[in-house]
Amino acid sequence: TQLLEQSPQFLSIQEGENLTVYCNSSSVFSSLQWYRQEPGEGPVLLVTVVTGGEVKKLKRLTFQFGDARKDSSLHITAAQPGDTGLYLCAPKTTSGTYKYIFGTGTRLKVLA
Amino acid sequence: NAGVTQTPKFRILKIGQSMTLQCTQDMNHNYMYWYRQDPGMGLKLIYYSVGAGITDKGEVPNGYNVSRSTTEDFPLRLELAAPSQTSVYFCASSAQGEGPYGYTFGSGTRLTVV
Repeated sequence: TQLLEQSPQFLSIQEGENLTVYCNSSSVFSSLQWYRQEPGEGPVLLVTVVTGGEVKKLKRLTFQFGDARKDSSLHITAAQPGDTGLYLCAPKTTSGTYKYIFGTGTRLKVLA
Repeated sequence: NAGVTQTPKFRILKIGQSMTLQCTQDMNHNYMYWYRQDPGMGLKLIYYSVGAGITDKGEVPNGYNVSRSTTEDFPLRLELAAPSQTSVYFCASSAQGEGPYGYTFGSGTRLTVV
């Protein structure tokens, strides 16, 4: 059983602030996805990272995959109320299965 | 462009009742999944399917059954509902299992067993 930890669990910040959330494990992953889930909706894919050390940017969101492919981070610059939601990381193991495992998420609230 | 459609959105069941959660996708995806999401517990995989006629158990399959007679549909059956099955259920699909293909999720079914 892989242990997957997302931190922090909860984060409440003011509009305009920067933040970083983390996804950590002791296992090596072949790829990792980040999703955002809004209340009453299913998760929506934000990005997929595949290569160790890879950095991807999506407007004000910056995603990084650790060099050893065991961890990832999501940095948001100048957060806006529309960024409010549950951020889930979903790594894929190297075992060739078809399934991603999901972390418990970071619940972000951005106050106007 | 519907994507993944789940019905119903809400349901209250009595203990011991049965029901089927419906899931259909119009993207011609081969892979489909059922997850449950409990508060603070993340998404747990119940069952998945890699194509019509093929299904397999996930992490938490007990108390559930699935079938996949067509590419489009992947219903989840609850037999003898129990309070522990109170949860939000999400269906998802993806183009291929291998490779970094993202999941498309439905909007969920909120089930309460009383």
